[in-house]
Amino acid sequence: KNEVEQSPQNLTAQEGEFITINCSYSVGISALHWLQQHPGGGIVSLFMLSSGKKKHGRLIATINIQEKHSSLHITASHPRDSAVYICAVRNTGNQFYFGTGTSLTVIP
Amino acid sequence: DAGVIQSPRHEVTEMGQEVTLRCKPISGHNSLFWYRQTMMRGLELLIYFNNNVPIDDSGMPEDRFSAKMPNASFSTLKIQPSEPRDSAVYFCASSPGGLAGRGEQFFGPGTRLTVL
Repeated sequence: KNEVEQSPQNLTAQEGEFITINCSYSVGISALHWLQQHPGGGIVSLFMLSSGKKKHGRLIATINIQEKHSSLHITASHPRDSAVYICAVRNTGNQFYFGTGTSLTVIP
Repeated sequence: DAGVIQSPRHEVTEMGQEVTLRCKPISGHNSLFWYRQTMMRGLELLIYFNNNVPIDDSGMPEDRFSAKMPNASFSTLKIQPSEPRDSAVYFCASSPGGLAGRGEQFFGPGTRLTVL
C-alpha cells in the first residue's frame, strides 16, 4: 500500500471547468507539497501546506489533517494547466513520500 | 537568480561507466534534494542535505549511488558502475527552509540519463 494515494490518475476537462485533484495519505505529516510537472518535464512547487488552505491565483490547496486528506482545486481551468500534479508528504520523521501523480488535460 | 542549475542536461553512457551529475542550488538555500523519476516508479527522493550534511539517504537505491555536498553551492550524485536500470531523469531541488527543508522546494531542470 502506498503511503500517498492520489485520485484521479487521469483527468480530462473542458476549458473553464472547475477541477479537483485529491490526495490521501496514511502517515503523520509535518508538511504536504503539491508539485506541477509540465509536459516538458520541469517541476514547479505549487504549495506547501501544514494546515488550512492556501490560494495562488486560480489554484487553491486545502488540507484536513484529521482526515489525512488534501485537495488541489483549479478554477476556470485553461489548456496551459495541462500537466501532471504530484502530491508529496513529509512525515514527522522527515521522510518524504510521493503520490503517483494525476495527469490533467484541459481541452480548449 | 538563475534558479537551481543542473549539469549535464542529458547524459548517454554505456553500462559499467561512471556517471556524475552536478547541481548548484539557489544561493542562500540550505537544503538540497536529489530525486529520481521513472515511468515505472514515479518521483523518488534519493537523498537530502541540510547545511551540507546528509540528513536522510534511505532512498539511495544501492552502494553504486553516492552523493556529496562539499560546500553550500555544489552537490554531486555519482553512479558507479552505471546500469541500464539507472536510466531516469534526475532532479535536484533546493529549499530555504532550514532543517529538513521545511520550505518550498525549487527544482532544477533535471538531467536525463540514459545507460545503454
